[in-house]
Amino acid sequence: DAGITQSPRHKVTETGTPVTLRCHQTENHRYMYWYRQDPGHGLRLIHYSYGVKDTDKGEVSDGYSVSRSKTEDFLLTLESATSSQTSVYFCAISDLAGQETQYFGPGTRLLVL
Amino acid sequence: KNEVEQSPQNLTAQEGEFITINCSYSVGISALHWLQQHPGGGIVSLFMLSSGKKKHGRLIATINIQEKHSSLHITASHPRDSAVYICAVDSGGGADGLTFGKGTHLIIQP
Repeated sequence: DAGITQSPRHKVTETGTPVTLRCHQTENHRYMYWYRQDPGHGLRLIHYSYGVKDTDKGEVSDGYSVSRSKTEDFLLTLESATSSQTSVYFCAISDLAGQETQYFGPGTRLLVL
Repeated sequence: KNEVEQSPQNLTAQEGEFITINCSYSVGISALHWLQQHPGGGIVSLFMLSSGKKKHGRLIATINIQEKHSSLHITASHPRDSAVYICAVDSGGGADGLTFGKGTHLIIQP
C-alpha cells in the first residue's frame, strides 16, 4: 500500500469554526489531490497540487483553501466551516499526471453542526 | 466537463455469478480507472487502462475508446467482492484530477 495518511480521521466541529485536514505521504509523489465524497455524488475534486507551493482549484473549491509547503504534506483548510461541508474527505497522490494510478488515503469524516 | 455514467447503480447477485458493471463517458479521455471502495470506506485502484483489456485474478476490465464505454467483469463472484465499484476518467492527461461516476453498489450473497 502507498504510504498515505490523513489526519484527523474523524472530526466534529461547529459552524463558523476553522478546520484543517492534513494529508501526509511518504512516497515522494509529485501530485496530490483533495476530493470530497457525498451521497448521490461521485467523488469531486476540491483542490490539487502539482508541486511544492503549486496548487490549483478543482470543481468544488469554494470555501476551501490548500497549502503545500513540503512535498509530503498537503493541507486542506475550511476557513469557516458550514454544514454543507459535512462530508468524507479523501486525499490522493500520483507520481505522473493522467497516466498513473492514484493512491487514496483512508479518508476523514467531517461533521459540521 | 466529462460526464461519467455507471450502470447499474445497485446489483445483488449470488455467489459464483458472472458480474458486469458498465461505465460510459461523454468526452474523449486519456485514461480510465476502476476503483473499489470497501464498506469500511477505503478506496483501492483496480485498473487503469487507455485501450483494450486488462485482467487481474478474477477481474477483467475492457474499454472501447470509439464507443466511450468500459466494462468491469468479475468472474466466479464471491461475497468478499461486495463493495462499491467506481469508474473514473482522466479527460486531459493533465494534473487536474479525475472525474468520477457515482459508483455501483455490488452485493454478492452466499
